[in-house]
Amino acid sequence: DQQVKQNSPSLSVQEGRISILNCDYTNSMFDYFLWYKKYPAEGPTFLISISSIKDKNEDGRFTVFLNKSAKHLSLHIVPSQPGDSAVYFCAASEPQGGSEKLVFGKGMKLTVNP
Amino acid sequence: GAVVSQHPSRVICKSGTSVKIECRSLDFQATTMFWYRQFPKKSLMLMATSNEGSKATYEQGVEKDKFLINHASLTLSTLTVTSAHPEDSSFYICSAKGGGAPRTQYFGPGTRLLVL
Repeated sequence: DQQVKQNSPSLSVQEGRISILNCDYTNSMFDYFLWYKKYPAEGPTFLISISSIKDKNEDGRFTVFLNKSAKHLSLHIVPSQPGDSAVYFCAASEPQGGSEKLVFGKGMKLTVNP
Repeated sequence: GAVVSQHPSRVICKSGTSVKIECRSLDFQATTMFWYRQFPKKSLMLMATSNEGSKATYEQGVEKDKFLINHASLTLSTLTVTSAHPEDSSFYICSAKGGGAPRTQYFGPGTRLLVL
């Protein structure tokens, strides 16, 4: 059973507009969430993370929102740039002391059109 | 900061040979390293978790005798694919935890393995 779900396989937005990438999870033990960006034939690059004690974390053009009651998080990129075109993975982990594993979603391909 | 390297980036080998892939954390000490495999158009599949100085913990379905992992120091982990077969051809990626963001994994650039 997939514990981290990215239900939309792809998203296409215009340069300068907002990109919203969504992620849902089922495991209520998850308390730390991360977003990674990946280009083909490269390793994922860490973008931003959020702890479950927060509902928002912002870093430049990237903001992650967490809705614990809905078990939902989203990544907002604004303004979107063509260089943001990549596959984005949502990941989650349980508290330290338990499993250290990251559980990844299947990824979503973002295309930002000039 | 938080740079992870992998070597080699690409390797082609004959069936039956063994291949070693190195993963290094360049600017931080990694208490834990992870090895993933990615199939085309699929998500990352965790193969094993490696802690320095101890045996790796393998995920269900991953053959520990085929995928040998050694984490000899806080900056180096190796994955050896023994007696490689064409079905082992894949993109292997390592990650490392540690440094100032202990709950964040930083990934290497990956190694493309092709077994002929």
